[in-house]
Amino acid sequence: GENVEQHPSTLSVQEGDSAVIKCTYSDSASNYFPWYKQELGKGPQLIIDIRSNVGEKKDQRIAVTLNKTAKHFSLHITETQPEDSAVYFCAASMTGGGADGLTFGKGTHLIIQP
Amino acid sequence: EPEVTQTPSHQVTQMGQEVILRCVPISNHLYFYWYRQILGQKVEFLVSFYNNEISEKSEIFDDQFSVERPDGSNFTLKIRSTKLEDSAMYFCASSVQGGQPQHFGDGTRLSIL
Repeated sequence: GENVEQHPSTLSVQEGDSAVIKCTYSDSASNYFPWYKQELGKGPQLIIDIRSNVGEKKDQRIAVTLNKTAKHFSLHITETQPEDSAVYFCAASMTGGGADGLTFGKGTHLIIQP
Repeated sequence: EPEVTQTPSHQVTQMGQEVILRCVPISNHLYFYWYRQILGQKVEFLVSFYNNEISEKSEIFDDQFSVERPDGSNFTLKIRSTKLEDSAMYFCASSVQGGQPQHFGDGTRLSIL
């Protein structure tokens, strides 16, 4: 089955700097890669996703890049703000139109230092 | 914005007892999922459900687990005879169609004593 590795486990950056979180996946058939943000006491909240037919996607300060050949994808957050502090999870699945489960990475605890 | 709601937020149960976790998916969503997150570990897929039947399940989802959509709004996860290792956060998610983004509830913390 699919295996998703995520690093770093903890990332501390100064407010205003950029943060990059990286994930690799093992199954070349995976074609959908969402990123979730989880705040304390809350469920994972989808922040951005990318499909395998696209190399990059951007939404304001957040961007995701995908390298299918290397089987890795990354989350980029620019101009970080205190409210960006949370745990971020990457995930992968092979979507064929059915109810496909997501395989998650272990998460990155992002700390924004004021 | 529509959201997935889960009840209860915290459930404490004696080992060996049955427990039912409840979820109300987003109203126009047709695909439903359960995940669990043991403290400090990654979120793990348990099962997906579509058209009143299980679509996919992981090896975690053994015979002690079952899912049901008892009416038009609720989606439940039953654990028949709980074990200590079932202690975890259980998340329900839904999507409008297969292959579309999954939206998660805030989870039920299950504590087995």
